[in-house]
This record gives sequence, C-alpha cells and structure tokens, in this order.
Amino acid sequence: QKEVEQDPGPLSVPEGAIVSLNCTYSNSAFQYFMWYRQYSRKGPELLMYTYSSGNKEDGRFTAQVDKSSKYISLFIRDSQPSDSATYLCAMKSATGFQKLVFGTGTRLLVSP
Amino acid sequence: SQTIHQWPATLVQPVGSPLSLECTVEGTSNPNLYWYRQAAGRGLQLLFYSVGIGQISSEVPQNLSASRPQDRQFILSSKKLLLSDSGFYLCAWSRDRGSHGYTFGSGTRLTVV
Repeated sequence: QKEVEQDPGPLSVPEGAIVSLNCTYSNSAFQYFMWYRQYSRKGPELLMYTYSSGNKEDGRFTAQVDKSSKYISLFIRDSQPSDSATYLCAMKSATGFQKLVFGTGTRLLVSP
Repeated sequence: SQTIHQWPATLVQPVGSPLSLECTVEGTSNPNLYWYRQAAGRGLQLLFYSVGIGQISSEVPQNLSASRPQDRQFILSSKKLLLSDSGFYLCAWSRDRGSHGYTFGSGTRLTVV
C-alpha cells in the first residue's frame, strides 16, 4: 500500500463548478499537508499549506484536513479553465528530517 | 526573495552520452536541495537530497549521481545515459526540514535517444 493515495483522474468539470480533489494517507505521523498545482511541462507550485487538522481558505481555494480519517481535500470554487492542471497532494511528519511524500497527482480539466 | 534556476529546459541526448543538469538557488543560505524525476502516471520520484555542501543522500540506486560543490548549487550527472533515464527532472529547495513545503524549479525535459 502506498503511503499516499490519489486518484489520477482526469476529472472533467464545466467552468464555474465546485471541484473536490482528495488524498488519503496511511501514516498517522503526518502533520504537514500541502497542495501543489502543476501545469503541463512546468514545475509544481505550492498552492496551499496546512498544519494538522482543520480548514484553510485562500480565495477560491479551501484545503481541509481530517486526521481522524487520514483524508485531505482541496476545494476549488467557481472553477476556471485556467485551473486546468495536475494537482498533487504532499505531506510530511513533524519529527526529524522527514521528506515530503507526494501523491501521484489528479489531472483536472475545466471546460469553458 | 528566493529564486531557483534550473537548466536546460529541454535536452535530447544519445544513449551512452554523459549528462550534467545544474540547479542554483538565490536569496537564501544553507538550503536543503532535492532532485526529483517525474514520469508520466508515476508521480514524483525523489532521486537525491542534500542538507549541506558535499552531503548527498541517494534514494534510489540508479545510473545517476549528484553533487553539491557550493552551498546553493546542486548538480545531477550521469557518465552514460540509458534510454530509461528519459523523463522530467525537477530540482527543489526547502528551508530547514521543509515543513512549509518545497519550491520547485521549472524542470528539464530529458529525452535519451
């Protein structure tokens, strides 16, 4: 079993839809959770960062962490064609030098 | 502000040829540095990381090596490329333990022919 599971998609939605992207994980030591957006042929860019459980909102983006279920989500409101990209979740534990563990990414397509 | 530079953007190399990809970080000191390879449908694979000059940790046995000759310079090399070395190579940096995430470069698309 992988430490982090993420549906590869693609997820196709019409413009203006609410998008829900999700990851599950198995390591209960993970405390830091991130979402990256990667456009085709570009490096990933950090979108959202969350520590431990709870919600964090930034504009149209909301990151949610449920540590009891080992489940994290990224919601995109009023999705735009420019949101079409691959979204990767990433997480790490708080102890020592632990490397980020990435999901394989979900490809999102927002059609106008 | 901190910036990360990675070059070249695209590279086509014959099998058996050497490889050298360079990554530099500006605007910070003593960063943690990482080399990743990304293959289609397989996500990000960590190849090497470094917590200081001359300190290299290898994650996956392979045909590649890494070096950190200066604080903010990270180099990925190979003496003889294989077809299987083709992929998208990404350099990244982080502060301390990387709890606030990594910052990635723009990547190098390597095709071995």
